[in-house]
Amino acid sequence: SQTIHQWPATLVQPVGSPLSLECTVEGTSNPNLYWYRQAAGRGLQLLFYSVGIGQISSEVPQNLSASRPQDRQFILSSKKLLLSDSGFYLCAWTGIRRNGETQYFGPGTRLLVL
Amino acid sequence: LAKTTQPISMDSYEGQEVNITCSHNNIATNDYITWYQQFPSQGPRFIIQGYKTKVTNEVASLFIPADRKSSTLSLPRVSLSDTAVYYCLVVPYGGATNKLIFGTGTLLAVQP
Repeated sequence: SQTIHQWPATLVQPVGSPLSLECTVEGTSNPNLYWYRQAAGRGLQLLFYSVGIGQISSEVPQNLSASRPQDRQFILSSKKLLLSDSGFYLCAWTGIRRNGETQYFGPGTRLLVL
Repeated sequence: LAKTTQPISMDSYEGQEVNITCSHNNIATNDYITWYQQFPSQGPRFIIQGYKTKVTNEVASLFIPADRKSSTLSLPRVSLSDTAVYYCLVVPYGGATNKLIFGTGTLLAVQP
């Protein structure tokens, strides 16, 4: 069966510090991978998606970046964090159900920038 | 991708049936309707998916009228643990969407 991992689970970082969040998927190959951010009480905002190694598409201009160094590894980074980067970061991969596409989400990383 | 509209919040009591309606007026012929559930501090999880008429699984039922411009998620006999945010999405058949749009969802609050 497929599983998706994210770490760390929680993170407290000062403004201006770098960031690296990691996501890995097991049990599938060549998945579409996604990074979302969710502010408190809000919906999910798609940040990046990747259809393959080294292929990254950005949905929202910001000080964040993403990389996919391996087929099942997706990394979210920042050189200098802003207060507005605080939120709940979710990694997801796409699976095909019987009919339509379905996304499977990781446990998330809660980031607090102070 | 078709935009969806759903109520921001709903209240219910334990043991009641809850129906959450979502409108998707611009749904395309090859689109499926998918519902997700999200508990606090967790990622959304798939609940149910359908194309037309009615779909039922162990968690919920999904009712889709003939024009498919709306859908209703039905949760039978809710419990406190069903308190969560429920998202309605429209996704095309066959994948490769790349851009699933999660709105703010419907916050269902179940009270004892």
